[in-house]
Parts: sequence; structure tokens; C-alpha cells
Amino acid sequence: EIVLTQSPGTLSLSPGEGATLSCRASQSVSSNYLAWYQQKPGQAPRLLIYGASSRATGVPDRFSGSGSGTDFTLTISRLESEDFAVYYCQHYGRSPKTFGQGTKVEI
Amino acid sequence: QVQLVESGGGVVQAGRSLRLSCAASGFTFSSYAVHWVRQAPGKGLEWVAVISYDGSDKYYADSVKGRFTISRDNSENTLYLQMNSLRAEDTAVYYCARSNIVGATRPGALDIWGQGTMVIVSS
Repeated sequence: EIVLTQSPGTLSLSPGEGATLSCRASQSVSSNYLAWYQQKPGQAPRLLIYGASSRATGVPDRFSGSGSGTDFTLTISRLESEDFAVYYCQHYGRSPKTFGQGTKVEI
Repeated sequence: QVQLVESGGGVVQAGRSLRLSCAASGFTFSSYAVHWVRQAPGKGLEWVAVISYDGSDKYYADSVKGRFTISRDNSENTLYLQMNSLRAEDTAVYYCARSNIVGATRPGALDIWGQGTMVIVSS
């Protein structure tokens, strides 16, 4: 089983600032089958990034993903008020398709 | 529009069973793998199970293996999760979610999610 460790646990920032979220895997993620999701309170998660760096439909270009192997990053270039949420990474290659524990981006 | 709608949640005693359903609409359900993901109150996301587009392949998290069964009825555009021998730690919101890849050419991320259904297991 691939264990995903996200850091930091909480990121305290202001609108307009940039955010860098990390996701480290316990073993190499095959074919970069790594996704990022955003979740706001009381809502279902929303797919942001798949294949480590491809933006999902409708996702603003201030969100970008990078990385390969065991180290992945989600970057939000300029935080807007609607970006304050919890972010999860997930590997979706071979099962079990585990999630990281999440990073909360707060004001 | 493309959507998934879960149902079947509720309060159940430990050791009993419950079956969740997920109704799909707005897309060709039979062309996509679908997953169950759960979230305990105040906790993170936990992947539970996946079933291939045609139902031929199924995989489970270790925490539910042998107790939960994922299935689908492509003629009814519906996904199911049969949960047996429920435990207090199964208490969570259960989401169904669609893979973003048609067929079985390669794994897909989860691009369409339902609103979730709450399962509470009382001890």
C-alpha cells in the first residue's frame, strides 16, 4: 500500500499570497497517477489536478500541479477567498487507492 | 446534467447490515469505473472500493475487505455497496465517485462525486 504524507497540516495565509502544498509517497507512484482534490465544509471533494499536472475541467489556472516519483506539489499562485479549504492528494494507480491526510489552507 | 446521487444511509446497530445505492445520470454509466469513498466525522477521505466499468474487477481497502461488497447494475445505472458486520468505525459519510477515464485502458482520477449519504453505526 502506498502511504501519502501531506505537509504542512495547516497553512495560514492571506488572500493574494501564494501557497505550496506537498504530498510525499512511501513508494514511487506509477505513471504519475496522482490527483489533488479540494474540499470545502459540507461539500463533496472536487477534482483539481490529475496525472500530477493536468488541470481538471473548469479549474482556474492559478492552480498547478508538479512532481513525479514520490514527491508532488500543488501550487496556488494567488489565493482567492474561495480557495480556503482542505486539499487532499490521492494516488489512483493500483489499489488500494489511498488519500493523504489533507492540508487545510486557512486565512 | 452529469450527476451521482447516493441513498440508503441511516442509523444501524453494530453487527448489522446496510446497502447503499448510487444512481447515475447524464452520462453513459456502463463506460466508467466507479468508486466508494468515505469520510468519518471531522476526518479525512478514505478510499473504500472500486468496480470496473463492466463489473468484472473489484478492489477493496483492507479495512472493509470481507465485510463490504461493491456491485453495479448497468441496466439501472446504479452502483451499490453492501455493508455487513458493521462496526462503529464505519460511521462516515459515504460518497460514490466516477473515474475520469472511459473503459479500462488505464486508471482514472475521481471527477464526478455525489453529495454523500451518512451512515451511523451505533454500539
